[in-house]
Amino acid sequence: DGGITQSPKYLFRKEGQNVTLSCEQNLNHDAMYWYRQDPGQGLRLIYYSQIVNDFQKGDIAEGYSVSREKKESFPLTVTSAQKNPTAFYLCASTPPGKANTGELFFGEGSRLTVL
Amino acid sequence: QKEVEQNSGPLSVPEGAIASLNCTYSDRVSQSFFWYRQYSGKSPELIMSIYSNGDKEDGRFTAQLNKASQYVSLLIRDSQPSDSATYLCAVNIRSGWGKLQFGAGTQVVVTP
Repeated sequence: DGGITQSPKYLFRKEGQNVTLSCEQNLNHDAMYWYRQDPGQGLRLIYYSQIVNDFQKGDIAEGYSVSREKKESFPLTVTSAQKNPTAFYLCASTPPGKANTGELFFGEGSRLTVL
Repeated sequence: QKEVEQNSGPLSVPEGAIASLNCTYSDRVSQSFFWYRQYSGKSPELIMSIYSNGDKEDGRFTAQLNKASQYVSLLIRDSQPSDSATYLCAVNIRSGWGKLQFGAGTQVVVTP
């Protein structure tokens, strides 16, 4: 079945460690996104990529990095520079032809907890 | 002022009644509007999109858009316990390509 797969679903990290969250899609979508959600808050955009080998910072990119070497994959690295990394991380993509509307389909999310 | 604002709730609705959710946005030239449903601990699921003024109906859901007043609403008719979730309003803001700005969400609780 087509969809967006995020892994791991739950991750625990010690302070000072980098961690990489995986996002893979087999929907043939060009545009992919990473959002962060904190309790009681809306989703905030971290990074987005419109096409392979290109990505742009979102509203809260500090302390995060991404790569887009393949159309199917858009991994997010949470670095030790991110001050408050504990959050629910959501990967999303936009269907072809919907790029101008911003319509998003989400993966199941990765919950990161810093101990 | 937040770009997209929603009442946080919780909005308590008797089973079978109509749930009415409101969302206001600040960017007058926004063109695309979405409602997502998010169950506790899960990811958001798109339930409605609307692009022009007026009403759009899909099953028990109706989205209403008024660009002049800069608000978009969602009505859930014949509310069911399975409708208990947080509903996120999302708006395609002018300043970004295909980037949605999300409200904080309204929690809906449908009581039997």
